[in-house]
Amino acid sequence: ILNVEQSPQSLHVQEGDSTNFTCSFPSSNFYALHWYRWETAKSPEALFVMTLNGDEKKKGRISATLNTKEGYSYLYIKGSQPEDSATYLCALDSNYQLIWGAGTKLIIKP
Amino acid sequence: GAVVSQHPSRVICKSGTSVKIECRSLDFQATTMFWYRQFPKQSLMLMATSNEGSKATYEQGVEKDKFLINHASLTLSTLTVTSAHPEDSSFYICSARGLNSPLHFGNGTRLTVT
Repeated sequence: ILNVEQSPQSLHVQEGDSTNFTCSFPSSNFYALHWYRWETAKSPEALFVMTLNGDEKKKGRISATLNTKEGYSYLYIKGSQPEDSATYLCALDSNYQLIWGAGTKLIIKP
Repeated sequence: GAVVSQHPSRVICKSGTSVKIECRSLDFQATTMFWYRQFPKQSLMLMATSNEGSKATYEQGVEKDKFLINHASLTLSTLTVTSAHPEDSSFYICSARGLNSPLHFGNGTRLTVT
């Protein structure tokens, strides 16, 4: 059974601080790694789709890196703002199958 | 960019009736569509994976006869909640992807069964 782990489960960060969290996945069956930002009751917002080992993508203050050989991806948020509060989901895309992590719930303290 | 349209966004129905939710890919061919359910204060739960032209693969614990999924074309998948009951009230979200394209989500359907 393929399993995607995200850590930590939740995270409280002071406004202005930078933070990062992890998505771990089995390195076999890899096709792509998705990161989503999700606020409850809304459709998750796609952040990144990463396909190549060593990929590094950036969107504003948010960036992500990918290591397919060791099976992990990091999501970084620089200078956290209250609007960054959300659950960040990663999903392993093994082509025709999407395996979700449980998410990291990020709470930014003003 | 690619867009996934989900309809209706909200539906209220009486217990015992069936409700159909549509998920359309507007400018790409969706070879795979996913259906999710979200319970209050919980993460998205994958219900089923649907590949065009074949039967959907349901996750453990999801009743196939209760949640009928059809993916007859490359741009449309439907989820039918049959004989809905109040416990089926939830937020249902679809997502779709084509070959070599990222996953795009619909805006979700909030189902309320009275």
